[in-house]
Amino acid sequence: DVKVTQSSRYLVKRTGEKVFLECVQDMDHENMFWYRQDPGLGLRLIYFSYDVKMKEKGDIPEGYSVSREKKERFSLILESASTNQTSMYLCASSLLLNSNQPQHFGDGTRLSIL
Amino acid sequence: GIQVEQSPPDLILQEGANSTLRCNFSDSVNNLQWFHQNPWGQLINLFYIPSGTKQNGRLSATTVATERYSLLYISSSQTTDSGVYFCAVEQNNAGNMLTFGGGTRLMVKP
Repeated sequence: DVKVTQSSRYLVKRTGEKVFLECVQDMDHENMFWYRQDPGLGLRLIYFSYDVKMKEKGDIPEGYSVSREKKERFSLILESASTNQTSMYLCASSLLLNSNQPQHFGDGTRLSIL
Repeated sequence: GIQVEQSPPDLILQEGANSTLRCNFSDSVNNLQWFHQNPWGQLINLFYIPSGTKQNGRLSATTVATERYSLLYISSSQTTDSGVYFCAVEQNNAGNMLTFGGGTRLMVKP
């Protein structure tokens, strides 16, 4: 089974802090994704990566950056956290670009910015 | 971009009842997935179903790509079926990017 692991289930940070959310997958997947989930808005794509050191903006990249230095790890970075970034963050991975493979999700990180 | 609409937004069932959840999408798609998000926030793959019908135990799904909809059937519902069900689609040439519907929140009462 695919295992997508997010480093924290719950995280509390302060406004202005630099925040790192880590995601690791163990199935050698090329594609990795970061979403945020908010009530009434569903899941929205922040960034995705289809290879090491490659990244593409999703629907809501503002205020975020990402890092993919190794194939198995995809980090989401909040450069200067703000209260409107309080949300549930979900990481996903899938095999190969354009190969019609399902995405597999981690358990999510509930991030609160105070 | 593509629009994905799910209905109903909320559903309450008595344990043992059957239900059908619907997902409509506004353009042709390469891929469609159904997910269940449990009360702890975990998002679980149910089906990968760009077309046709699949069954897994009490759950089954049908996608009619030409008519741009998919249905998720839950039979003999159990309290553990409670949570939010999401449909997500991948457009042609979208590089495996998924667009999610707003979800159907299901509560199964004992």
